[in-house]
Amino acid sequence: DTGVSQDPRHKITKRGQNVTFRCDPISEHNRLYWYRQTLGQGPEFLTYFQNEAQLEKSRLLSDRFSAERPKGSFSTLEIQRTEQGDSAMYLCASSLEAGGWETQYFGPGTRLLVL
Amino acid sequence: GNSVTQMEGPVTLSEEAFLTINCTYTATGYPSLFWYVQYPGEGLQLLLKATKADDKGSNKGFEATYRKETTSFHLEKGSVQVSDSAVYFCALQGTPHSGGGADGLTFGKGTHLIIQP
Repeated sequence: DTGVSQDPRHKITKRGQNVTFRCDPISEHNRLYWYRQTLGQGPEFLTYFQNEAQLEKSRLLSDRFSAERPKGSFSTLEIQRTEQGDSAMYLCASSLEAGGWETQYFGPGTRLLVL
Repeated sequence: GNSVTQMEGPVTLSEEAFLTINCTYTATGYPSLFWYVQYPGEGLQLLLKATKADDKGSNKGFEATYRKETTSFHLEKGSVQVSDSAVYFCALQGTPHSGGGADGLTFGKGTHLIIQP
């Protein structure tokens, strides 16, 4: 069990550019979550997948944010036309949902800085 | 909607002191409750959890009891160590059984704990 991994760990971009982050969950986990964490705050839920199906996306911050999990394994989070307010830590978590109960395990995060 | 309120930090204690970090929640139904910890330079780690009323979660000397009557899940430790210095997050998740539906975790703002030798 290598845990949840995220790539890149750090990303610096200029305002208006598109960025994409990758998350690799724990191998047997069927659920994958994305969160955003700003300085001094707790993580804020964005979206989640069960296998390849995106079951909740109403919490994505704007239509510039999108996520995919095409084969039910790794996932990508894309931010188009980045803004300075998008600067934050983006966290991925995975879980094995069984009988309604689950525990989410978090990756190390991708820190985004938009200049 | 769901919400979590936890005591503001930083909380500064001497080594071997007793620790309490308060956490209260608002949620529909019967959520699961969690404490996560974030050590300096590291990612979020699950510390303990409780899935129904009166359950007690425990790990590494930390304990928290799910109190439905007071909608609370306070974190306690009898004797803290310098290595416990970290940011602690209280969180909840609704479950299909509770009628809250599957959803992401709702976190509090975090409490920064500083233990001095």
